[in-house]
Amino acid sequence: EAQVTQNPRYLITVTGKKLTVTCSQNMNHEYMSWYRQDPGLGLRQIYYSMNVEVTDKGDVPEGYKVSRKEKRNFPLILESPSPNQTSLYFCASSLKDREADTQYFGPGTRLTVL
Amino acid sequence: AQSVAQPEDQVNVAEGNPLTVKCTYSVSGNPYLFWYVQYPNRGLQFLLKYITGDNLVKGSYGFEAEFNKSQTSFHLKKPSALVSDSALYFCAVRSNRFSGGYNKLIFGAGTRLAVHP
Repeated sequence: EAQVTQNPRYLITVTGKKLTVTCSQNMNHEYMSWYRQDPGLGLRQIYYSMNVEVTDKGDVPEGYKVSRKEKRNFPLILESPSPNQTSLYFCASSLKDREADTQYFGPGTRLTVL
Repeated sequence: AQSVAQPEDQVNVAEGNPLTVKCTYSVSGNPYLFWYVQYPNRGLQFLLKYITGDNLVKGSYGFEAEFNKSQTSFHLKKPSALVSDSALYFCAVRSNRFSGGYNKLIFGAGTRLAVHP
């Protein structure tokens, strides 16, 4: 089944404890992206990647890092999480970065930082 | 400038009645428009998209959307609503006109659809 997977689905952590949220897609997509969803603010893009070893900042990159060493994986790293990073996170992928390409989303990771 | 607007925070519909969830956009050139649905505790699921051609686009779960260039709208519709359609719906446009050259997916704020038995 073609899909985007994320792990973990739920995570409660404490301020300053480094964490990684994994994202993997099995559709051989070149483009991948991370979003966060907050009440009243909709979905905002954190980082995106055009292909392996090509990443760039989205609208809200502060406090996050990403890497793209393999085509299928695009982990999101929080080096020192803070409470304002409590949110619902989505990974997405599309075949390429073209206007007509559909982005497919993972199931989400609900992160709480205490 | 807001590029995608969903003017209604919530839409209430009785089961069996037709439903419409509104979306307007402001993008120069040809718009590439998408609808996604988010069920409780689930990710965003792709419903349908408009690229070019027929203004009426059919998608998953019996949904369709009508593209209207003159009104810059892309309203989501369904002839007969089900209680199971209750969810959060997002309209989005993918364009390189709001970014540094890549094709960014920009979302509306979302509309919560509540279908009552």
